[in-house]
Amino acid sequence: GENVEQHPSTLSVQEGDSAVIKCTYSDSASNYFPWYKQELGKGPQLIIDIRSNVGEKKDQRIAVTLNKTAKHFSLHITETQPEDSAVYFCAAVSGGSYIPTFGRGTSLIVHP
Amino acid sequence: ETGVTQSPTHLIKTRGQQVTLRCSSQSGHNTVSWYQQALGQGPQFIFQYYREEENGRGNFPPRFSGLQFPNYSSELNVNALELDDSALYLCASSPSQASGGAEQYFGPGTRLTVT
Repeated sequence: GENVEQHPSTLSVQEGDSAVIKCTYSDSASNYFPWYKQELGKGPQLIIDIRSNVGEKKDQRIAVTLNKTAKHFSLHITETQPEDSAVYFCAAVSGGSYIPTFGRGTSLIVHP
Repeated sequence: ETGVTQSPTHLIKTRGQQVTLRCSSQSGHNTVSWYQQALGQGPQFIFQYYREEENGRGNFPPRFSGLQFPNYSSELNVNALELDDSALYLCASSPSQASGGAEQYFGPGTRLTVT
């Protein structure tokens, strides 16, 4: 089955800095890669996703890149704000399964 | 548009008891998945229902069972509760698989504590 590794487990930045979270996956058949943000006491919220036919996708301050050859994908947050503080999860979905395998999460702390 | 809702928000059960958790999917979504999230971990897939049929199951014992109803709402049942079942249980709904609906939209979760 699919295995997703996520790093780092904790990331501390100053407000205004950029943050990068990296994930690797094992199943070459995976073709959909969502990212979720989970705030304390809430369920994960889908913030951005990318499909395997695209190398990069941007949405305002958030971008995701995908390298299918190396089987890794990354989340980039620019101009971080305190409200970006949360746990971020990456996931990979194998073609046709519709079932994501999640990484273990990255706790992002943005200091004012 | 109403999002995914779950009930109850919290509950406390005793080891050996049974529990039923409920989920209402987002409007227009016909697929529901259930996850268990232990503290400090990512969500672990329990099972998925598509059009009232189980459509995939993770590495969970048979005492975890589910249902999906004609209105696409769903239940998760856990029998013979164990201490390790204490976790946040998340429900997620997805749009039609026919349109490539791999996107999952999560509810707020039910916090289950087993004592």
